Amino acid sequence: GAVVSQHPSRVICKSGTSVKIECRSLDFQATTMFWYRQFPKKSLMLMATSNEGSKATYEQGVEKDKFLINHASLTLSTLTVTSAHPEDSSFYICSARARQGVDQPQHFGDGTRLSIL
Amino acid sequence: QKEVEQDPGPLSVPEGAIVSLNCTYSNSAFQYFMWYRQYSRKGPELLMYTYSSGNKEDGRFTAQVDKSSKYISLFIRDSQPSDSATYLCAMTLTGGGNKLTFGTGTQLKVEL
Repeated sequence: GAVVSQHPSRVICKSGTSVKIECRSLDFQATTMFWYRQFPKKSLMLMATSNEGSKATYEQGVEKDKFLINHASLTLSTLTVTSAHPEDSSFYICSARARQGVDQPQHFGDGTRLSIL
Repeated sequence: QKEVEQDPGPLSVPEGAIVSLNCTYSNSAFQYFMWYRQYSRKGPELLMYTYSSGNKEDGRFTAQVDKSSKYISLFIRDSQPSDSATYLCAMTLTGGGNKLTFGTGTQLKVEL
């Protein structure tokens, strides 16, 4: 149980393109989803917390107009990297928390490797 | 000083060895502690989730929490080549479903 699916797993695109990444909880309802960014050989950096039906909460230093988050249902959150540039190239990972409470652990997707040429 | 300190390794051990992975933290308000395993180019996989000080065992894995020393450990018994991965400790103030603070991860290699 507690499977989180992330799509696509790999994206290569030109500078200036907008890229959408989907995060789905397959076998549970997720009130809250999280979006992380990970650089090579570094730990995960929380970008934003996504709550179903409300605006996302962004961490300090993360541009909300650059990284658009939509959490329209209890099983789907999307991250759109708008007008992507080479410095946006990274490994983006989402996680989801089961609906029943904050003491439930987060379960992670397998990440999306984004490369901007 | 980072909130969570973790030796990045790499740590190389022979198959069958007992592995000890550790994290220290500075914020005594952390209440929930997790260990995640991350294979290359994959997302983290939850291994252990603990709240109180003491030991928690699951198969070959034992998580140990010492809140008085602000120190957590993960022990892996009878290590296998398939255990080769990066191990991330994570902790949170109010439950594993809230904002996690991660260590930098320890890269483990179990050799035949």
